[in-house]
Order: sequence, then C-alpha cells, then structure tokens
Amino acid sequence: QKEVEQNSGPLSVPEGAIASLNCTYSDRGSQSFFWYRQYSGKSPELIMSIYSNGDKEDGRFTAQLNKASQYVSLLIRDSQPSDSATYLCAVKATSNTGKLIFGQGTTLQVKP
Amino acid sequence: DTGVSQDPRHKITKRGQNVTFRCDPISEHNRLYWYRQTLGQGPEFLTYFQNEAQLEKSRLLSDRFSAERPKGSFSTLEIQRTEQGDSAMYLCASSLLAANNEQFFGPGTRLTVL
Repeated sequence: QKEVEQNSGPLSVPEGAIASLNCTYSDRGSQSFFWYRQYSGKSPELIMSIYSNGDKEDGRFTAQLNKASQYVSLLIRDSQPSDSATYLCAVKATSNTGKLIFGQGTTLQVKP
Repeated sequence: DTGVSQDPRHKITKRGQNVTFRCDPISEHNRLYWYRQTLGQGPEFLTYFQNEAQLEKSRLLSDRFSAERPKGSFSTLEIQRTEQGDSAMYLCASSLLAANNEQFFGPGTRLTVL
C-alpha cells in the first residue's frame, strides 16, 4: 500500500463545474496536509493546507479533512480551463520530521 | 523575486560525470528540502536541513548523492558518477521552522543523463 494514494485520472470536468479530487493516506498519525498544483513542466505550487478535521475554504478552493477515515479532498468550484493541471496531495507524517510524502497526483482537465 | 531559486535550470551530462546543483531558499526560511521527481510521479523526498544541520536523509539517497548547507543559507546537491536513472527533476523547497511546515518550491533543475 502506498503511503499517499491518489487516482491518477485524468479527471475531466466541464467549465463551471465542481471538480472533486481525493487523496487517502496510510499513517494515522499524520498531522498536516497540503494540496499543490503543478502545471506541465513547472514545479509544484502550494494552493491549500489543512491541519484539523473539517473544511477550509480559500476562494474557489475548499479542502476537506477526515482523519478518522484518513482522507483529504480538494474541491474546485466554478472550474476554469486555467485550472487544468496535476494536483498533488502531500502529507507530513509526524511532528519530528519535516519531509512531505506526495501522492502521484491527479490530472484535471477542464473543458471549455 | 523573493522566491526559491535554483541553478542551473537544465543540465545535460554524460553518464559517469559529476554534477552539482544550487538552491537559494526564501531568505527568512531556515528549513531547506531536496526532492526528486520523475515523469508521472509525485516528488520524492531526498533530504532536508534545518539551518546548516542535515536532519534527515532518505534511503533513496545513495552514497553518490551528497548535500550541504554550509552557512545555513544556500544549499548544494552533488551527484557523483551519474547514471541514466538519475535523470529527473530535482526540486528544492524551503519553509519556516513552524508546525505547519508549508513548503514552497523553486523552479527545479532538470537533469538529463545521456
């Protein structure tokens, strides 16, 4: 079992729709969770972080965390073609490490 | 530009040669990380520093790889006797020493080993 799992996609949604991206993790002691956006040929860009159960909203983005079920999700409302990218879920496992463990990423395609 | 910078952006080398990459973190960040990313995969952790101390190294980091951060500012990653399997994007990130650990990435160095 991979430590952080994402469906590689592609996930295709029409412009204006809600895109839902999911991620599960294996270490129940994980404390911090991040979503990065990565355009083709570019480096990852941090878009959301979440640390406690529930929802966290930032503009069109909402991150959701459920530690009991060990999953974290990202919702993108009013999806735009410019949102087309790979979305990486990253997990910081325990308090005594700085490393992030990444999933393989989900490719999102927003069609006009 | 006050973001993370990396140099060079691209490196093509022949198998068996040594290469060195440089990373300059965001100025007030005291943690610096190195990751490696291959096509279709998420970044894989290699090592990280807190100030000048190297706190953790991945098992992926063979003895051909060495990283330094001598004065707690910029860092270098050296790969000796490169192999074709070393071809990847090498990413540097930095963060503040804080519980939230938000890491910000530089543009990366793409290494091609022929």
